[in-house]
Amino acid sequence: QQQVKQSPQSLIVQKGGISIINCAYENTAFDYFPWYQQFPGKGPALLIAIRPDVSEKKEGRFTISFNKSAKQFSLHIMDSQPGDSATYFCAVKFGYNQGGKLIFGQGTELSVKP
Amino acid sequence: NAGVTQTPKFRILKIGQSMTLQCTQDMNHNYMYWYRQDPGMGLKLIYYSVGAGITDKGEVPNGYNVSRSTTEDFPLRLELAAPSQTSVYFCASSYGGGPSYEQYFGPGTRLTVT
Repeated sequence: QQQVKQSPQSLIVQKGGISIINCAYENTAFDYFPWYQQFPGKGPALLIAIRPDVSEKKEGRFTISFNKSAKQFSLHIMDSQPGDSATYFCAVKFGYNQGGKLIFGQGTELSVKP
Repeated sequence: NAGVTQTPKFRILKIGQSMTLQCTQDMNHNYMYWYRQDPGMGLKLIYYSVGAGITDKGEVPNGYNVSRSTTEDFPLRLELAAPSQTSVYFCASSYGGGPSYEQYFGPGTRLTVT
């Protein structure tokens, strides 16, 4: 049972370009929608997250757009840099009464070319 | 603070052998989690714990066992290792299970079963 679908699987962007990664989820039991960034050989690290009562959140070059009715959210990376090259995971988070569990998307491998 | 530490970093097991993956956090976090990461599949939750003495199953618990006798430690036990358990294992912890509580991930253990 796949509750989170992420696309694309891989993405190549030129330096300075915009990277866009999309996620869709299947039910409404979640109360938080984080994005994680993972570099090779490292564990994932929280990049940015949004609550379901907000449609957009921006932190520096990173923006989450959230569409509750469509059950979709996306990550936009503006002015993409080679240092942004990593694997990105969207996730959905259950509430505290279900242990705050995370369900992850399949991941997007981003490569930013200089 | 060291954060979340995992040992060993790498391990090769023969089919049918058993081992324990160690996870320790020094942030006084109540919630701890075990995930496995397979190529192209994202991370999947194996087990989680909301406090010492309390554990619960995640998405893929078969073939694994956990215990939580202290706040700091959350070991994952593999009994009768199988090739399907070849994966990278990540431990994570958070102070609470609510939306704003970030999960912090360890560096991972890469396990190969042959």
